Amino acid sequence: DSGVTQTPKHLITATGQRVTLRCSPRSGDLSVYWYQQSLDQGLQFLIQYYNGEERAKGNILERFSAQQFPDLHSELNLSSLELGDSALYFCASSSKSRTDTQYFGPGTRLTVL
Amino acid sequence: AQSVTQLDSQVPVFEEAPVELRCNYSSSVSVYLFWYVQYPNQGLQLLLKYLSGSTLVKGINGFEAEFNKSQTSFHLRKPSVHISDTAEYFCAVISIFGNEKLTFGTGTRLTIIP
Repeated sequence: DSGVTQTPKHLITATGQRVTLRCSPRSGDLSVYWYQQSLDQGLQFLIQYYNGEERAKGNILERFSAQQFPDLHSELNLSSLELGDSALYFCASSSKSRTDTQYFGPGTRLTVL
Repeated sequence: AQSVTQLDSQVPVFEEAPVELRCNYSSSVSVYLFWYVQYPNQGLQLLLKYLSGSTLVKGINGFEAEFNKSQTSFHLRKPSVHISDTAEYFCAVISIFGNEKLTFGTGTRLTIIP
């Protein structure tokens, strides 16, 4: 158990819909990262938050957005869903610096029908 | 920008045999290097990481990796594998400054043959 929790574990929805994925980092970790894992793209970095502020953006679509709340939990919002958004979405957290290990949650499997 | 290449998408190995999973990287700046393991239906777990110092790094579950700067490689090894090592293994890098994202390779599926 990494200490990072993600809900829900599975999500099945239809094209055009909007969903919210939730992540609670390990106690004391200030950084939260979101990654997408799909068969065709592999593991791709989406976005990072540090202590409530956006710190880095990766290959995140404009239809996707995220935020980190004062209690440090984070949410990833995916809207106008397309079939190609079906993937495993991971949240990871780390303490402060890039040398600290990123601990991954169990992931949310999103299926868009 | 960085990139990571894992040349072998699948590696079958007999139980108790040694294994080496290859990883090469490309980067215009220095990087830190990581190996993660993903067991079926689970998240990623850190096996080991190289930050600085000795180029031979020991990790969990009997794995080790050697950083070779001239060959830009970070190969993962285990002298004797077990059925429980069946999993997907990912090599990843982070640049020493700038964006803190992990850049992953495409993964190597290790299958242990009894």
